[in-house]
Amino acid sequence: DAGITQSPRHKVTETGTPVTLRCHQTENHRYMYWYRQDPGHGLRLIHYSYGVKDTDKGEVSDGYSVSRSKTEDFLLTLESATSSQTSVYFCAISPTGIYGYTFGSGTRLTVV
Amino acid sequence: AQKVTQAQTEISVVEKEDVTLDCVYETRDTTYYLFWYKQPPSGELVFLIRRNSFDEQNEISGRYSWNFQKSTSSFNFTITASQVVDSAVYFCALSNANAGGTSYGKLTFGQGTILTVHP
Repeated sequence: DAGITQSPRHKVTETGTPVTLRCHQTENHRYMYWYRQDPGHGLRLIHYSYGVKDTDKGEVSDGYSVSRSKTEDFLLTLESATSSQTSVYFCAISPTGIYGYTFGSGTRLTVV
Repeated sequence: AQKVTQAQTEISVVEKEDVTLDCVYETRDTTYYLFWYKQPPSGELVFLIRRNSFDEQNEISGRYSWNFQKSTSSFNFTITASQVVDSAVYFCALSNANAGGTSYGKLTFGQGTILTVHP
């Protein structure tokens, strides 16, 4: 099917609570990415992974952590959600880290 | 640092008009890729085109065409005879090609251009 799924698709959470978003792929791609989309900013990179247990920060990583314990799953955790983290979150995968990106359907997160 | 600028925040046209979406980029890399994505109201990101930095040929695909000019660091997108179904947010993006280095193909996106095509 899609090869990449994000869960949940929608979530409303309270300020101060931890939240984990999941990205699951069935393509066995090496590279995985988390982006957030906000009006006027396009998509901005939060964290990325270039292999199991190999992750690094993107341009807007403060307040977020990630983990990748197996090839197919890349988890994004908001350690203590704030209203500024209300956004749409996209996961992407790539076999090459150069092109061939496939994006998930997105997770709409609202922090109240 | 890489940067992509889409100066047009919103464009509104009437069906059958031609429309050009501008994209200007900055990078220090000599090898890189440029992309255009479409995001319809349903929210998913739809890949439209990829162009590498060594290929400056213009590309045409149906009503879509792309003009890549390294001299002006621009990668503009033209829709000919626009249709209501073209209404969407369009993103230009840039990645460098040094997958074996430290950049790992991170995409840098422009702010997006909202295109509305009226019947």
